[in-house]
Order: sequence, then C-alpha cells, then structure tokens
Amino acid sequence: AQSVTQLDSQVPVFEEAPVELRCNYSSSVSVYLFWYVQYPNQGLQLLLKYLSGSTLVKGINGFEAEFNKSQTSFHLRKPSVHISDTAEYFCAVRTGGATNKLIFGTGTLLAVQP
Amino acid sequence: DVKVTQSSRYLVKRTGEKVFLECVQDMDHENMFWYRQDPGLGLRLIYFSYDVKMKEKGDIPEGYSVSREKKERFSLILESASTNQTSMYLCASRLDRNYGYTFGSGTRLTVV
Repeated sequence: AQSVTQLDSQVPVFEEAPVELRCNYSSSVSVYLFWYVQYPNQGLQLLLKYLSGSTLVKGINGFEAEFNKSQTSFHLRKPSVHISDTAEYFCAVRTGGATNKLIFGTGTLLAVQP
Repeated sequence: DVKVTQSSRYLVKRTGEKVFLECVQDMDHENMFWYRQDPGLGLRLIYFSYDVKMKEKGDIPEGYSVSREKKERFSLILESASTNQTSMYLCASRLDRNYGYTFGSGTRLTVV
C-alpha cells in the first residue's frame, strides 16, 4: 500500500531564508506525487506535481521539488521565502488502479518569521 | 476556473443530531471526495464517488454516509453526530482519474 511521511510537523524559518520541506513515500508501483498548500481558513491548492519525465518539478510561487527514486523522496524547496508563504503544506501520493485517489501526509506548517 | 462550493464554513451541532454537509461543483466533474482534516493526522478519506449514485468507502467511513443523486452535488451525512466528529471537512472533485483535484474551502464542524 502506498503511504506518505512528512517527518516535520512544523518548520520555522526567517524571511528570505531558503527552506526545504521533507516528504518520503512508499509505493510498490509507479508513483505520482503532489504538493498542496493550505493557507489559513482555506481549502488546498495544488503547488506542483510529478507524473513522469524530469525529476525536478517547478511549481507556483517559486517552489520546486525533486523526485528521488533511490531515496523515495519528494522534498519541496524554495530559495527565499516570504511572510506570505506561511501555510500548511501537504505531500500526497496517488494510488494506482482504476479507482486511483490521493493519500496525504500529515502536513508541515511553514512558519515564516520577519 | 472550477469551483467547488461547500455550503457552510462553520457549523455547530448537538450530539445525536443528523448533520448534512453539502458540496457542489460547477464543472461536470465525474469524481468527488470527502476528507476530514485533523491536526497531526493530515487529510483522511471518508468516502468518494466516481459517478452519480456510485459511492465507495474511504479509509474512515464509520459514522458517515454519502449521497450523490446529481452529478454536481455530493453530500456527507453524519447519521448521529458525536463529539469525535468535530473536525474540518474538505470536499474535492476532479474531471476523471487522469486529472488533479479541486478543493472546496472546507466546513469546520463542531459537535457539542
């Protein structure tokens, strides 16, 4: 069965510093990986996704993620964060088969401080 | 842009009440989903539907049921609300299995 692990429940960082949010997955089949962002009191928005092809995926708001098959990771990075990036970030894996669906990690709260 | 609308942002209900959470999407999506979100647990799938009148259990269906009589509307029903169902509920839809999800803004339900 597929699963996703986000080891960091909270990541505090100063404004304009770089950040990495970690995500590890387990899957016995081809993987499709996603990062979503949730701003306070809102639903989830898609940041980026990896379906196939280049292992470096660029998303919205300057975020990018790298798919690493040997380390079963899909870490999210941004070279310089802003206060407005404060939000909860969820990594997700899509299950296979005819009725595929998303399995989410437990989320990482990115807290950007001035 | 696709819109997924959840009828209530905040709800307060009493233990034992029957509760309906409504979700409507405006882009003829086939698939719809209900998740609940709890701190430290992330999003957990309650039920999903691949087409009208079709439903499948997710990971935590106990205490919930769903209804999909029309393609655009997917209702989550708490037959007899309990305090452990206090949570944020998120609805999502997608065109079909090859497309991404669009989420609603969520309904924060408090059961007292």
